[in-house]
Amino acid sequence: DQQVKQNSPSLSVQEGRISILNCDYTNSMFDYFLWYKKYPAEGPTFLISISSIKDKNEDGRFTVFLNKSAKHLSLHIVPSQPGDSAVYFCAAPLYNTDKLIFGTGTRLQVFP
Amino acid sequence: SQTIHQWPATLVQPVGSPLSLECTVEGTSNPNLYWYRQAAGRGLQLLFYSIGIDQISSEVPQNLSASRPQDRQFILSSKKLLLSDSGFYLCAWSKTGYGYTFGSGTRLTVV
Repeated sequence: DQQVKQNSPSLSVQEGRISILNCDYTNSMFDYFLWYKKYPAEGPTFLISISSIKDKNEDGRFTVFLNKSAKHLSLHIVPSQPGDSAVYFCAAPLYNTDKLIFGTGTRLQVFP
Repeated sequence: SQTIHQWPATLVQPVGSPLSLECTVEGTSNPNLYWYRQAAGRGLQLLFYSIGIDQISSEVPQNLSASRPQDRQFILSSKKLLLSDSGFYLCAWSKTGYGYTFGSGTRLTVV
């Protein structure tokens, strides 16, 4: 049972445009969500997070939106840059634990 | 500052051979430790989770085992590798209330 889903395996965006990466979850007990960025042959690095008491969190070019009623969150990158090309994972900790459940990832390619 | 070391970076092993991947954390004590695997075309799957020395929980049934002989050392092992064990293995640590820090990963290819 995939509790965190990223239904788009890949996304291609032109430099300067907006990238929107989507994530859906099924476990209503999730109360905190994170996005990680992963380059090939490297470990994922933390990008941005959001608590379920918020519907938006912004950090520079990155904004995460949370729609709890739809069990959906999205990561917006504006403007997109070639260095943003990577695999992005959505994740949530199991309630009352530190165990992170990851989605399958979306490969973002930003082209000039 | 805290650092996490994971080695080797790449490994090619024949089917049926043993496996030992090591992960060590520096600059913190009593971390939570994790082994994840990213198989081709799939997400990050949690394999093992440890909250302390010799305290390990297995998240999925598999051909692998984990051990934590010291507070900041986490080892992933197999007695006999299968082709399906191929993947990218990641070690991570966390402290309650803080995020994860991942190692640089090991690319394992079983041939």
